[in-house]
Amino acid sequence: RKEVEQDPGPFNVPEGATVAFNCTYSNSASQSFFWYRQDCRKEPKLLMSVYSSGNEDGRFTAQLNRASQYISLLIRDSKLSDSATYLCVAAVYGQNFVFGPGTRLSVLP
Amino acid sequence: SAVISQKPSRDICQRGTSLTIQCQVDSQVTMMFWYRQQPGQSLTLIATANQGSEATYESGFVIDKFPISRPNLTFSTLTVSNMSPEDSSIYLCSVEELTGELFFGEGSRLTVL
Repeated sequence: RKEVEQDPGPFNVPEGATVAFNCTYSNSASQSFFWYRQDCRKEPKLLMSVYSSGNEDGRFTAQLNRASQYISLLIRDSKLSDSATYLCVAAVYGQNFVFGPGTRLSVLP
Repeated sequence: SAVISQKPSRDICQRGTSLTIQCQVDSQVTMMFWYRQQPGQSLTLIATANQGSEATYESGFVIDKFPISRPNLTFSTLTVSNMSPEDSSIYLCSVEELTGELFFGEGSRLTVL
């Protein structure tokens, strides 16, 4: 079983749609969680950190459920520019950042 | 966030040769890492580059194949030795900032023929 698992995707959604990505992690010692986006042939870029209380940044909302070891990312009012691969990351303090396999999103006109 | 520069950005190499990738950061950072991303795959940590001591390698990666240098807090190199086509990947330098967030260089795309 992989340490971090994500929806396999791809997700093909129309502009303006709301899309949700799910992620689970197996290491209960994980303390820090993040969502990264990676455009084709580019490096991953930090989208947002995920806090226990949940956090929102514009159209993006991230939530964490420690009991279920589950992380989510919600994108509202999808834009064409949101098309990318979204990577879920779990980290134990002082140890490796473990990346999920990624979920590919295509926002269609 | 720190500005991380990698070079080369891409290279095409012959089987059996070695390539050294450089990573320069515009500020001093404690934690510096090297990742590999094979085609269509997610990121896998190769090693943590430790300043002044030997790198810490993850399972499946060894120093003879991926020697790493970290002479100071702003610079590191990764060498891919005795390359084979299976080493064709993107190699990414990354740093962990004091916020606990990880940032990446633009990556070095390696193709081995």
